[in-house]
Amino acid sequence: SQQGEEDPQALSIQEGENATMNCSYKTSINNLQWYRQNSGRGLVHLILIRSNEREKHSGRLRVTLDTSKKSSSLLITASRAADTASYFCATDARQGAQKLVFGQGTRLTINP
Amino acid sequence: DVKVTQSSRYLVKRTGEKVFLECVQDMDHENMFWYRQDPGLGLRLIYFSYDVKMKEKGDIPEGYSVSREKKERFSLILESASTNQTSMYLCASNQGVTQYFGPGTRLLVL
Repeated sequence: SQQGEEDPQALSIQEGENATMNCSYKTSINNLQWYRQNSGRGLVHLILIRSNEREKHSGRLRVTLDTSKKSSSLLITASRAADTASYFCATDARQGAQKLVFGQGTRLTINP
Repeated sequence: DVKVTQSSRYLVKRTGEKVFLECVQDMDHENMFWYRQDPGLGLRLIYFSYDVKMKEKGDIPEGYSVSREKKERFSLILESASTNQTSMYLCASNQGVTQYFGPGTRLLVL
């Protein structure tokens, strides 16, 4: 089955800096989503980008999608300590199934 | 707001015990999912259900079963718990493409 892979596995930056996380996947998709997970909690949906979109913004989040390279990136601008969490990309497994395949996540630490 | 609740945040069981993990969603969603999350392995789908009494195996169904008798409730059953089932278990539901997760149950099998 296809699997998203995030890069890097861990990222530590100073508060106020921008954080960029990358995701690669293996097969064609309808859309790609990013989720956030605070330590020991469930995942929370952040943003969805469809396969016919190249870029999407939501507040301090910017997501890009390159279907030719089968990759996506999540940029968090002006990071805050509260952004410390794990971030996962998720792709739909196949049309109509509504199942998602999650990557292994990037652990982001924002240092005050 | 969609709310997905799980019956326990932490659970400690002994090897061989039968374990029930309960998940309830309040948004009348058709689909419900059970995942386990382990360090370095990400989220792996155990089972999902697309309607009452309907279920489909995910990627790692061995050692697990599920039950969906009512639309809002999806139960994960470990028939005979083993130490390799120590993990974080996450329930989710969806109607469209976005999944809504519960807070998770951290299960320790001794």
